[in-house]
Amino acid sequence: NAGVTQTPKFQVLKTGQSMTLQCAQDMNHNSMYWYRQDPGMGLRLIYYSASEGTTDKGEVPNGYNVSRLNKREFSLRLESAAPSQTSVYFCASSEATGNGYTFGSGTRLTVV
Amino acid sequence: QKEVEQNSGPLSVPEGAIASLNCTYSDRVSQSFFWYRQYSGKSPELIMSIYSNGDKEDGRFTAQLNKASQYVSLLIRDSQPSDSATYLCAVRYRNTGNQFYFGTGTSLTVIP
Repeated sequence: NAGVTQTPKFQVLKTGQSMTLQCAQDMNHNSMYWYRQDPGMGLRLIYYSASEGTTDKGEVPNGYNVSRLNKREFSLRLESAAPSQTSVYFCASSEATGNGYTFGSGTRLTVV
Repeated sequence: QKEVEQNSGPLSVPEGAIASLNCTYSDRVSQSFFWYRQYSGKSPELIMSIYSNGDKEDGRFTAQLNKASQYVSLLIRDSQPSDSATYLCAVRYRNTGNQFYFGTGTSLTVIP
């Protein structure tokens, strides 16, 4: 049972480049989330999907877009990367929006 | 005022002692509270949740919630070196939809 799988684990981008972070869960969870974690800032919610077919903005959505491709997959896209988007990105899922999360292993993104 | 506040530590306790981790939150109507453990370079793992005032025990862990004083704490009994990690507090507020707010975490070191 893999849980929540994120790819890639590491990525270096140049300013202005685009990329998509992939996330898939095999626990039949309804809700999925994208967080970023920065030193001294804690985990901050970027976007979430309460259920298949819905997406909503979180605390820090600017510069990002998401797609809930199906119940299993939730991707995060950076259209034009900026150095301020250098961070560790975590995907998470939960059975429902009020439940605790299962996190993926994270993507360490550096934008130069 | 930050949504969720934690003392960043580091907190050091000897092996076998009780570690006490605290978290305070804003005065908005809160709904649910979670504790996560995060080892260095890894993703957060759910430890336990608490929803109502009082204590909740799970093995060596006890979560304590006091809504009147706006704090939630985590006690770790018989601390082990393997408990050395950063502990994250997360709070869901009733009026913010499905968003959890995370504290920045408290770093715990258990000294053998």
